[in-house]
Formats: sequence, structure tokens, C-alpha cells
Amino acid sequence: DTGVSQNPRHKITKRGQNVTFRCDPISEHNRLYWYRQTLGQGPEFLTYFQNEAQLEKSRLLSDRFSAERPKGSFSTLEIQRTEQGDSAMYLCASSLLRVSTDTQYFGPGTRLTVL
Amino acid sequence: DAKTTQPNSMESNEEEPVHLPCNHSTISGTDYIHWYRQLPSQGPEYVIHGLTSNVNNRMASLAIAEDRKSSTLILHRATLRDAAVYYCILRDFGNEKLTFGTGTRLTIIP
Repeated sequence: DTGVSQNPRHKITKRGQNVTFRCDPISEHNRLYWYRQTLGQGPEFLTYFQNEAQLEKSRLLSDRFSAERPKGSFSTLEIQRTEQGDSAMYLCASSLLRVSTDTQYFGPGTRLTVL
Repeated sequence: DAKTTQPNSMESNEEEPVHLPCNHSTISGTDYIHWYRQLPSQGPEYVIHGLTSNVNNRMASLAIAEDRKSSTLILHRATLRDAAVYYCILRDFGNEKLTFGTGTRLTIIP
């Protein structure tokens, strides 16, 4: 399977704990995106990388959230001191920058439940 | 980001065509119209996109109004696998993120 992969698929944690999610994009895709989706809503943009550079962050990305993409390959999203409001599906997508608009390919997501 | 308006839900019979509407009256000249869909328990999946002309691919067709203030996603022959939430998204060239609304939940009746 050469699609976007995300690990873990499910994570249950207690409030106040730190969690880290991993995203492996499609090989050679230079752009990587993180989105968050709560029940009944569409995904909301969090941040994106072009290669290893983080180029845009949403105001939704509080200082408890940090994302990295070392070496421009896989990415990690860490949430520190989790809160119940962080419970959501965290989606990763990747794309290949072209001359015009690019298509984003999404992974299956990591479902986070904060107790 | 320009806003889109879609019906909350639609139903269609299996093996019949489906027309999913989207209104985007504030679209700008550089906004592309994208459609993604999200099957149950999966991440969103690209369907089709266009700028001004109608577009066809193996999944669907996109019909864009002449004034570009509305568009219609056409599934030519719906199957049960097409049951999903369909999102109509405007994306300006150079704007990297996708701004999803709540989409249209399509139910296919066997």
C-alpha cells in the first residue's frame, strides 16, 4: 500500500498526558498537512509543511500542539497536557506541489479520546 | 475563504444518477472548485476539481455554471459504495489549505 499511513489508529489517554501521532506521507510528496475533525463536522486545517519547513499554522494550533517534519519525510504531531476538548480525529494528508492546484491525499486518521 | 452552501443530506436510488449541488455566490476569479468525499470511518478522498469548464473523470463529472456561482457534482450511476459525505470546497490558487464545510450526506437506497 503506497497511500498515506497514520499511527496509531486509535489512542485513549487520560487528561493531562502527552500524546504523539505519526504520519507517513506518500513517497516523494513534498507537502504534508494536519487536520482535525470532530463529530459531525468537516475537517479543520491545523498546519502544513513544505518539505521540512512549517509554512502555516492555524490559530486552532494552541501552544500545547507542536508538529515537526524532520528531513521532509514523516511528520509527528504532539499534544501536551491533553484536554477533553482535544478528543477528535486527527487527519494527515500529503500532496505533490504542481504548477496549478494540488490534490491532497488523506490518511485514515488517528482517533484520540481523552478521558 | 469564500463560503459554499450545500444541502445537509440527499438520498438517491442505487444505479441512478445523482446531482449534488453547491452554491458559491462569492467565488473569486482565482478560486478553484474542489470536491472531496468522506466514506464512513475513512479520511476524505479527492473526487474532482475545476476552474471554469466542466470536467469529467472516472469517478464523476463537475458541471460549473457560466457565472461560476454554483456547481453540480454528478455521479452517473450511484452504487452503495458512493454513500458518503460530499464536500464542495473553494480553494484559491496559492492557498494551500482546504476549508471544509459540513458537506452533504448522501444516502444510497438499494
